[in-house]
Amino acid sequence: NAGVTQTPKFQVLKTGQSMTLQCAQDMNHNSMYWYRQDPGMGLRLIYYSASEGTTDKGEVPNGYNVSRLNKREFSLRLESAAPSQTSVYFCASSEWFGPGTRLTVT
Amino acid sequence: AQSVAQPEDQVNVAEGNPLTVKCTYSVSGNPYLFWYVQYPNRGLQFLLKYITGDNLVKGSYGFEAEFNKSQTSFHLKKPSALVSDSALYFCAVRDSSSYKLIFGSGTRLLVRP
Repeated sequence: NAGVTQTPKFQVLKTGQSMTLQCAQDMNHNSMYWYRQDPGMGLRLIYYSASEGTTDKGEVPNGYNVSRLNKREFSLRLESAAPSQTSVYFCASSEWFGPGTRLTVT
Repeated sequence: AQSVAQPEDQVNVAEGNPLTVKCTYSVSGNPYLFWYVQYPNRGLQFLLKYITGDNLVKGSYGFEAEFNKSQTSFHLKKPSALVSDSALYFCAVRDSSSYKLIFGSGTRLLVRP
């Protein structure tokens, strides 16, 4: 039982590059979330998914897309990365959080 | 629209003394309330949640929180603070009719020996 896993742990991108952050859970939860946490700040909700096949915008969705193709996985995609997207990204499954992905965009 | 406020950026308390970290919320329906702790360069650890029932919720590491509907508050408490409790604490809320989970700005707890 791994809980919530996120890959990769660290990533450096150049401006304009794209990438997908992966999140998976093995707790059979319906709801999943993506947050970003900037230095010294709280968590801001990017997107969430109430159940398989559904997604909704959170507080800061611009520049991101998500996909919930099955109950286990909820991915976050940056189509054209910008320095303002440098942050730590956390995935959550119900109330349980993953370890985070530290993303730097240069 | 739902919102959550943590009015104190930092709380200082001496080891062995009781601690309180404040949280107030606003939702249109019934609230689901959560507390998390974050240690430096780590993820968020779930402490406790209120969904319904008893207003006093007990959680991990000796923490508890009291739901007060009339004051729209959900303050985190511990009877006797430890130096190892020093960390960043987050309150979160969602409306019972939605899965949108919103976090407060966080409160840094510093427990001095």
